[in-house]
Amino acid sequence: DADVTQTPRNRITKTGKRIMLECSQTKGHDRMYWYRQDPGLGLRLIYYSFDVKDINKGEISDGYSVSRQAQAKFSLSLESAIPNQTALYFCATSDFGSNNEQFFGPGTRLTVL
Amino acid sequence: AQSVTQLGSHVSVSEGALVLLRCNYSSSVPPYLFWYVQYPNQGLQLLLKYTSAATLVKGINGFEAEFKKSETSFHLTKPSAHMSDAAEYFCAVSLSGGSNYKLTFGKGTLLTVNP
Repeated sequence: DADVTQTPRNRITKTGKRIMLECSQTKGHDRMYWYRQDPGLGLRLIYYSFDVKDINKGEISDGYSVSRQAQAKFSLSLESAIPNQTALYFCATSDFGSNNEQFFGPGTRLTVL
Repeated sequence: AQSVTQLGSHVSVSEGALVLLRCNYSSSVPPYLFWYVQYPNQGLQLLLKYTSAATLVKGINGFEAEFKKSETSFHLTKPSAHMSDAAEYFCAVSLSGGSNYKLTFGKGTLLTVNP
């Protein structure tokens, strides 16, 4: 079984809808991250969490919110989706003291019409 | 602060030829450096990492990279390309020390391998 899983893998939605992307991990890592990938732009950090009570904004957090329900679960929400949020979204985890090596989920492809 | 520049958004090589993907970084403190590979419709997989030990780092699938502080570079090489190497490659930098939570990624280089 995969160590970092994301659901759904693909989602098509309409402008204005609320969307939640979920991430679960079995690696036992404290740190979790959400990135978005756009062609030609690489990966950009949306939010990150060091533990259940520690959540921080990344470089492109506007229009997004997150919830860390447990050490193993980290959800990303789009409160009111807009077309320029169409992207590939990745969840990642890392262990404290691991030189920040991050482990990635398979991604969620989100299309906002 | 840190940043990464990957030179060449698209590199095309013939099967059996040398692969060279370029990465230059900027970092205010000694960095940790990573190369990740993304195959079509998949997540990112770690190829190799530099964390202040040996400057020549060997990774999976025959790839290696050399940390050159004087050139602020961490180029990825493979002596002989295989068709299965076709993928997108990302260089990333992280700061060593207490604030090392953040990975900053380059924009990626798409590697095409021609038969």
